Amino acid sequence: RKEVEQDPGPFNVPEGATVAFNCTYSNSASQSFFWYRQDCRKEPKLLMSVYSSGNEDGRFTAQLNRASQYISLLIRDSKLSDSATYLCVVRSADKLIFGTGTRLQVFP
Amino acid sequence: GAVVSQHPSRVICKSGTSVKIECRSLDFQATTMFWYRQFPKQSLMLMATSNEGSKATYEQGVEKDKFLINHASLTLSTLTVTSAHPEDSSFYICSARDSRGRETQYFGPGTRLLVL
Repeated sequence: RKEVEQDPGPFNVPEGATVAFNCTYSNSASQSFFWYRQDCRKEPKLLMSVYSSGNEDGRFTAQLNRASQYISLLIRDSKLSDSATYLCVVRSADKLIFGTGTRLQVFP
Repeated sequence: GAVVSQHPSRVICKSGTSVKIECRSLDFQATTMFWYRQFPKQSLMLMATSNEGSKATYEQGVEKDKFLINHASLTLSTLTVTSAHPEDSSFYICSARDSRGRETQYFGPGTRLLVL
């Protein structure tokens, strides 16, 4: 079983749509949680950290459920520029463990 | 924000040659740097953790004699792929952790290696 699992997608949504991504992790001792964004042939870039209390950054909302070992990302009012691969990342034993990513394609 | 550079950004080489990739933290000191590899449509996989002034720690399944890591200063780590083969073709990405902040980790732009 992979340490971090994500639905690979792709998710094809129209502009303005709301889209949600989910992620599960296997190591209950994991310490920190993040969503990264990776554009084609580029390095990953931190989108936001994820906290149990939930956190919001503009159109992006992230949630963490430690009991279920489940992480989510909600994108509201999708823009064309949101098209990318979204990586669920977990810090375990001082290492970042990356999910395979979920591909999002926003169309006009 | 903090910047990490990698050089070269792209390299094509013949099978059997060695390739050196540099990772530099440009405006901060990095006691620890990480080397990842990403194959197409796969996740980033940690290869090794590079610590300034000491030996790198390799992940299971990564050959330390094939992937030589040197972290001689607080701003530079190098990864040398020795005797590269076509199966080593991949996207190599480094990241650096700011010595002043435990969690903050900045990624370089990556190096695309193609071995013919």
